[in-house]
Amino acid sequence: AQKVTQAQTEISVVEKEDVTLDCVYETRDTTYYLFWYKQPPSGELVFLIRRNSFDEQNEISGRYSWNFQKSTSSFNFTITASQVVDSAVYFCALSEFKAGTALIFGKGTTLSVSS
Amino acid sequence: NAGVTQTPKFRVLKTGQSMTLLCAQDMNHEYMYWYRQDPGMGLRLIHYSVGEGTTAKGEVPDGYNVSRLKKQNFLLGLESAAPSQTSVYFCASSYALITAAIDGYTFGSGTRLTVV
Repeated sequence: AQKVTQAQTEISVVEKEDVTLDCVYETRDTTYYLFWYKQPPSGELVFLIRRNSFDEQNEISGRYSWNFQKSTSSFNFTITASQVVDSAVYFCALSEFKAGTALIFGKGTTLSVSS
Repeated sequence: NAGVTQTPKFRVLKTGQSMTLLCAQDMNHEYMYWYRQDPGMGLRLIHYSVGEGTTAKGEVPDGYNVSRLKKQNFLLGLESAAPSQTSVYFCASSYALITAAIDGYTFGSGTRLTVV
């Protein structure tokens, strides 16, 4: 069975600090996809990134970066120089590559960035 | 292009009442999903559908029924609402091959349901 664990329930940082959100996943499949979503206080889900299991290259997008390590089944998310607008709930999610599979979410990490 | 539209956005029900949440997508997606979000629990899958006329149970299906009579619509029904069903409900849709779209899944903006 597939499972996503986000061990950090809440994180508080001060603006300009770097912060890493951890995500550990479990799956028996060799082909799967990992996602990160942001849920700001307004409530909508904002897609951040999708990664497939065959692409272990780290990715950087502005202040955001992702570290995918199959050896430790982790897909961690780092925000560099955090800003107040980064305050949100962040979800890691997993989708196996087979018919009828759905997106399985972790419980989320609430990030609070203070000025 | 509206994407995924959920109706209604807010609703208050009394215990025992019934209601139907509507999810409509205009992207010709084959798959559709219903999730509920509760504090500290993330999003949990209620039911999903891989095509018109088909439905399947997710992680937390009890107390809910679904129907997908048309490809573009996925209905979530509560026959006898309970306070434990107070939650935010999200609908999502996707192509059968999720790599067909960059984001894979498209989510609606959510329905906040309170059962008193």
